[in-house]
Amino acid sequence: DSGVTQTPKHLITATGQRVTLRCSPRSGDLSVYWYQQSLDQGLQFLIQYYNGEERAKGNILERFSAQQFPDLHSELNLSSLELGDSALYFCASSGQGLNTEAFFGQGTRLTVV
Amino acid sequence: QKEVEQDPGPLSVPEGAIVSLNCTYSNSAFQYFMWYRQYSRKGPELLMYTYSSGNKEDGRFTAQVDKSSKYISLFIRDSQPSDSATYLCAMKIGGYSTLTFGKGTMLLVSP
Repeated sequence: DSGVTQTPKHLITATGQRVTLRCSPRSGDLSVYWYQQSLDQGLQFLIQYYNGEERAKGNILERFSAQQFPDLHSELNLSSLELGDSALYFCASSGQGLNTEAFFGQGTRLTVV
Repeated sequence: QKEVEQDPGPLSVPEGAIVSLNCTYSNSAFQYFMWYRQYSRKGPELLMYTYSSGNKEDGRFTAQVDKSSKYISLFIRDSQPSDSATYLCAMKIGGYSTLTFGKGTMLLVSP
């Protein structure tokens, strides 16, 4: 168990809908990262938060947004869902120090029908 | 050219074999290197974390980094069927920078 918790584990929704994925980082970790993993693309970095502030942005669509709350949990919001958004979404967290390693949650499997 | 290249495999070996998994990268700014193991689309599990060029050993696993050649390797000794998984290399520049992943190599260890 990495200590990173993601909910829900599975989500099935229709095109055009909006969903929220939740991540609780390891105790004490300030950084949260979101990644998308589809069959043909591998792990794609979406966005990073550090202690509530956006730190870095990757290939995140405008329909997607995220935030990190004062208790350090993070949410990834996906709206106007399309079939191509079906993927595994992973959250990772890393510690306070520089250059610390990242630990991943078990992911949320999103299926858009 | 992708920043991180990794052969997708699958790599099939018999139980007990020594496995060599490799990644090459193009960005010489990468300083920190990781190997993750991922079972059946579960969350990636951190195996090894290295900084300097050279070898780092942990049990049956050895991570090797050659920064001059921009080449990293993961060796698995005495491979077991339970090692069957996808192995992902990852790297970052440093500080709070993000991780860049290879696409992963699928390893199959047959009994």
